[in-house]
Amino acid sequence: EPEVTQTPSHQVTQMGQEVILRCVPISNHLYFYWYRQILGQKVEFLVSFYNNEISEKSEIFDDQFSVERPDGSNFTLKIRSTKLEDSAMYFCASSPGTGGLLAGNTIYFGEGSWLTVV
Amino acid sequence: AQSVTQLGSHVSVSEGALVLLRCNYSSSVPPYLFWYVQYPNQGLQLLLKYTSAATLVKGINGFEAEFKKSETSFHLTKPSAHMSDAAEYFCAVSAAGGYNKLIFGAGTRLAVHP
Repeated sequence: EPEVTQTPSHQVTQMGQEVILRCVPISNHLYFYWYRQILGQKVEFLVSFYNNEISEKSEIFDDQFSVERPDGSNFTLKIRSTKLEDSAMYFCASSPGTGGLLAGNTIYFGEGSWLTVV
Repeated sequence: AQSVTQLGSHVSVSEGALVLLRCNYSSSVPPYLFWYVQYPNQGLQLLLKYTSAATLVKGINGFEAEFKKSETSFHLTKPSAHMSDAAEYFCAVSAAGGYNKLIFGAGTRLAVHP
């Protein structure tokens, strides 16, 4: 069964460093997402991406965050200057078809990338 | 704003017993509702979803959930728990206002003991 894959599974970085989390969405999907889960807290939406641009973003997704689809398969999340509070599990997700979730499509999640900022 | 409340951060049942995980939502428009499961060291896997069709939704692994508009609830049930059901379960609602995102509850960790 096709799945969303994420790398790395775990990364430790120093505060202030740049981090890139990588994702390969399911191949025929059109909507891509990043969510995060700080330890002990809810899974939170960060951003959705469609047709090579951000379609929605949360208030968490400030100027230190960016997303990119550099080629036909990868979808990346960059954190420019990491802070201690960025430590979290970051989930990439994708959904098929136009309209994404609102069209009744399912969002498929990857296994997550655990980021630890020290 | 939409929100999801999951009652009970930890639920423990015996193998073979009924599983009931509670989820209440608030939404100003008819919602889409979802249950996801997260097994240890794995990603979020969709169990089932409600998208305004039948109010009783059947999912994978013998789970089902019933949408009750009058109670703003979408509780997850399974008649007979298996050891393999031990995991964290998340209820989620699609956001109102045309937003293409999920709003998650805090999760319920299900333990199944022999």
